[in-house]
Amino acid sequence: GQNIDQPTEMTATEGAIVQINCTYQTSGFNGLFWYQQHAGEAPTFLSYNVLDGLEEKGRFSSFLSRSKGYSYLLLKELQMKDSASYLCAVRNTGGFKTIFGAGTRLFVKA
Amino acid sequence: DTEVTQTPKHLVMGMTNKKSLKCEQHMGHRAMYWYKQKAKKPPELMFVYSYEKLSINESVPSRFSPECPNSSLLNLHLHALQPEDSALYLCASSQAVTADTQYFGPGTRLTVL
Repeated sequence: GQNIDQPTEMTATEGAIVQINCTYQTSGFNGLFWYQQHAGEAPTFLSYNVLDGLEEKGRFSSFLSRSKGYSYLLLKELQMKDSASYLCAVRNTGGFKTIFGAGTRLFVKA
Repeated sequence: DTEVTQTPKHLVMGMTNKKSLKCEQHMGHRAMYWYKQKAKKPPELMFVYSYEKLSINESVPSRFSPECPNSSLLNLHLHALQPEDSALYLCASSQAVTADTQYFGPGTRLTVL
């Protein structure tokens, strides 16, 4: 079967660092994506990992371990506008289908 | 430019109506997708087009009919929908159907009465 697990909700303080974890079991693996989605809006692309290791892009970093079926998204210097849902998505072998996790709702408080 | 546009932004229709959702991208992408998203749920894949040909139909009811008139346009024709079809309908595109980033449009918020 195919399964992507993320925490349902997280709360963090403005200016802090937060790590959102994602574990996956899919039929083949051809890349892992993180998207940000504000309520009622479309998902926007944050990061892409296909090889093991850390990818850094400004305040956002994403890590992948293929052997463990594990990824995390790290958000630094949190801002109020970072309050959103964060979706972990895995592209399966063959590349036609991307499976989305249920998303982690992040609340950033002052 | 990583823009995917969708029209209309909001749509309210009755169960006997026929309507269409439109999606457009000018990034030269050759793969286009329709997703359905219910509140507080992840996007669910409905259809995938690759080079204007339907590649994947995720067992979507026939009251949803996709069409890809050319490489820049993707339509979703709606007919005899049910209230449970009310959702956010997202269009996305990517360079190809392989491991490329999908870029999403703003979505159409559909309400079926």
